[in-house]
Amino acid sequence: NAGVMQNPRHLVRRRGQEARLRCSPMKGHSHVYWYRQLPEEGLKFMVYLQKENIIDESGMPKERFSAEFPKEGPSILRIQQVVRGDSAAYFCASSPEQVDTQYFGPGTRLTVL
Amino acid sequence: GIQVEQSPPDLILQEGANSTLRCNFSDSVNNLQWFHQNPWGQLINLFYIPSGTKQNGRLSATTVATERYSLLYISSSQTTDSGVYFCAAKNTGGFKTIFGAGTRLFVKA
Repeated sequence: NAGVMQNPRHLVRRRGQEARLRCSPMKGHSHVYWYRQLPEEGLKFMVYLQKENIIDESGMPKERFSAEFPKEGPSILRIQQVVRGDSAAYFCASSPEQVDTQYFGPGTRLTVL
Repeated sequence: GIQVEQSPPDLILQEGANSTLRCNFSDSVNNLQWFHQNPWGQLINLFYIPSGTKQNGRLSATTVATERYSLLYISSSQTTDSGVYFCAAKNTGGFKTIFGAGTRLFVKA
């Protein structure tokens, strides 16, 4: 059973461009979480999704950030008009149930020039 | 929302030593996990332990939910144990998982 997959692993964008981060959960998992980690800091919750539904997006900035988890395909975290402060590692996790072990992907390291 | 605090923030051990890491949380939880983030940034599941005691090799964990804390024990530490240890909790009825700031462990050979 393949683990949680994220791509790309590294992404470089210039200020004002869009960043799209993808997350494929483990097989059989319908719950996906996105987190952001700034250098030398802990992980901050961004959004929790189930298939086709956003359950809790209270950790996501209101502007420029959006997330989806369609019926088919990976979950996408989209950042429009990136700024230097968006540079961070973005981790995705999945779980089979809401109250259950979360398994993390390897992360996408976004650098904004 | 729930607050998660970890101590100590930093820890240096000689190889072979034992240690205890602590995680305090401010509300009742239905989900508590311990993770190890290795020097390459990878997050590794250690324990899913909303209550009770579990052991896995040299590591064990105990969560006392009624007193709102969890402990991670590392015995006979090895240099490969170095990294950051995070506790993460989700309070009962909530959806957000909150991470503590972590304990940064360095094990010297």
